[in-house]
Amino acid sequence: AQKITQTQPGMFVQEKEAVTLDCTYDTSDQSYGLFWYKQPSSGEMIFLIYQGSYDEQNATEGRYSLNFQKARKSANLVISASQLGDSAMYFCAMRERGYSTLTFGKGTMLLVSP
Amino acid sequence: DAGVIQSPRHEVTEMGQEVTLRCKPISGHNSLFWYRQTMMRGLELLIYFNNNVPIDDSGMPEDRFSAKMPNASFSTLKIQPSEPRDSAVYFCASSLQGQSQHFGDGTRLSIL
Repeated sequence: AQKITQTQPGMFVQEKEAVTLDCTYDTSDQSYGLFWYKQPSSGEMIFLIYQGSYDEQNATEGRYSLNFQKARKSANLVISASQLGDSAMYFCAMRERGYSTLTFGKGTMLLVSP
Repeated sequence: DAGVIQSPRHEVTEMGQEVTLRCKPISGHNSLFWYRQTMMRGLELLIYFNNNVPIDDSGMPEDRFSAKMPNASFSTLKIQPSEPRDSAVYFCASSLQGQSQHFGDGTRLSIL
């Protein structure tokens, strides 16, 4: 079974609208961390946001927020007020207890149109 | 602040040649990771080091691949001999143990 599932291969959104990118995960650990990374067409991987499994509040970083629903094992990324520069691949990743490594999903391509 | 620095950014070489990819992690970070990204397989962890010691190399595809970290500020990933199926983008990332990983810009490798 995949540990990280991103069911949306591609998403389209108009500029200034909000968009939600889905991520579900599979772990039997109680302690884990969830990450989102952005990869623009230039290729670099940019860390966006982190949510710990014990964090009671949903993580927020500027226009990015993480809709963390622990019981459903989902960690969706919400981008508010989309900008053209948000067009990129977005990867969800998980780090499980006792591991330093990340497991990545397949990614979602987001296209923001004017 | 300097991020993770990888070199070269692009490498094109003929099959059979030795390829060496280089990485300088963020100063102070004690974990270093090598990933490979392809369209078919996505992002795969090849190997990671903690305090310069290889911890998990189970992702290294075969004996043609080797990685070293001789000190806290430098790591190499070597492919010898290279094959066309090794063509991919190779990323290096570093972190403080338990913290978020910061990626370099990647090396785009093409083996002809």
